Amino acid sequence: QQQVKQSPQSLIVQKGGISIINCAYENTAFDYFPWYQQFPGKGPALLIAIRPDVSEKKEGRFTISFNKSAKQFSLHIMDSQPGDSATYFCAASNGGNDGLTFGKGTHLIIQP
Amino acid sequence: SQTIHQWPATLVQPVGSPLSLECTVEGTSNPNLYWYRQAAGRGLQLLFYSVGIGQISSEVPQNLSASRPQDRQFILSSKKLLLSDSGFYLCAWSVLGVTNEKLFFGSGTQLSVL
Repeated sequence: QQQVKQSPQSLIVQKGGISIINCAYENTAFDYFPWYQQFPGKGPALLIAIRPDVSEKKEGRFTISFNKSAKQFSLHIMDSQPGDSATYFCAASNGGNDGLTFGKGTHLIIQP
Repeated sequence: SQTIHQWPATLVQPVGSPLSLECTVEGTSNPNLYWYRQAAGRGLQLLFYSVGIGQISSEVPQNLSASRPQDRQFILSSKKLLLSDSGFYLCAWSVLGVTNEKLFFGSGTQLSVL
C-alpha cells in the first residue's frame, strides 16, 4: 500500500519557469511533510519541510503549499534553474521511529 | 558537526555471493539508523531501522539482514545475493526524539548483482 503518492514521475521545465510537483497522502496521523532533493549518485538531502499547522512555507525559491482537508501538498520551484535539475522526493512522517514514508520521486529537468 | 560515512560507493557481486555494507555516523550519540533501498521508479523503500545497539526492526521480508554492533555503526548483510537485490542502498540517521523525522542520508552504495 502506497501511503504517499507523487506526481508527475518526470517533468521538463524551461529555465525561469515554475516547477510544480504534487503529493497526496492517506494516513491522517502524518504530521511532518519534507521534500528531499537528490542529485545523481548522491544521497537525498532535506530541502524544505512543513507541518500541518500552516498552509504554506517559503524558503528562497522553494515553496511548499499544504492542503490538510484534501491531504495534499506540493513543491513549487520559482525561477527554475538548470542547477535545480535533480530527483525530488516528497515524504511524510508521524514522528515514529520508522522514519519517513517516501513518494516514488520526480525527475526534474530544467532546460537552459 | 555530524557526518555519515557509507562504503563502498559501488559494488558488483555475482549471484549467490555474500554482502556486507557498512555505515558509520560521527558527531552524535544514540541516533536512529536506517537502511533504505532505491530502485528505479520505486522511490525509497525502508528496509531496516534501529533505535539502539542490537535492536533491529525489519520492514520488508527479504534476503537481507541488518545488525548494529556499536552505537554508531549499522551493517547490511546477505548470505546469498539475488539478482533482485540490485539497487542503490542508502544509510540514514536521525536524532532520537522530537527531530527523529529529519533523516540525513549517506552517499549511497550502488550494488549490481550479476
